[in-house]
Amino acid sequence: AQTVTQSQPEMSVQEAETVTLSCTYDTSESDYYLFWYKQPPSRQMILVIRQEAYKQQNATENRFSVNFQKAAKSFSLKISDSQLGDAAMYFCAYRSALRGATNKLIFGTGTLLAVQP
Amino acid sequence: DVKVTQSSRYLVKRTGEKVFLECVQDMDHENMFWYRQDPGLGLRLIYFSYDVKMKEKGDIPEGYSVSREKKERFSLILESASTNQTSMYLCASIQQGRRGETQYFGPGTRLLVL
Repeated sequence: AQTVTQSQPEMSVQEAETVTLSCTYDTSESDYYLFWYKQPPSRQMILVIRQEAYKQQNATENRFSVNFQKAAKSFSLKISDSQLGDAAMYFCAYRSALRGATNKLIFGTGTLLAVQP
Repeated sequence: DVKVTQSSRYLVKRTGEKVFLECVQDMDHENMFWYRQDPGLGLRLIYFSYDVKMKEKGDIPEGYSVSREKKERFSLILESASTNQTSMYLCASIQQGRRGETQYFGPGTRLLVL
């Protein structure tokens, strides 16, 4: 069975600084997706960034980028130029891309990010 | 924009009550999901549905059932609510078959069972 581990329950960053959130996962599958979701205090979960396992290039979305290390099964999220609005719970998630697999997500336990002004 | 809505943001129920949590999506998605979110545990899958009248158990289905009579609506039912079902419940939907598609989440329902 696949598992996702986020070892940092809480993180803090100064405004305008850079922070990296860690995520490791375990799977025997070769084709999968990895996601970072953000859940602000209002609770609406939104997608931050997505990575397909077969793509070697790290995904980037504006100030958000990932460091995808497939062999190490690591998928960290880097937030550059942190803003107050980045304060939220961040979840790392895994989904199989194998033919016939369900679309269910397997989540880590989350990292609560605080942004200090 | 995809819209996933949930019938209530907050609910307070008594032990033993039957509870219905409703989820509606407006994008004609085949797949819908119910997750439960608890501190320190992340999100865990309760049930999901591939299509109308089809359902599959997730990782923690005990004490729950679901109903999908229409494609846009997926209901989570607590037959007899218990205090250990106090939690945040999140609904999600996704288009079946599109590579790279992502799940869209509703705002969540925070349920307190007294």
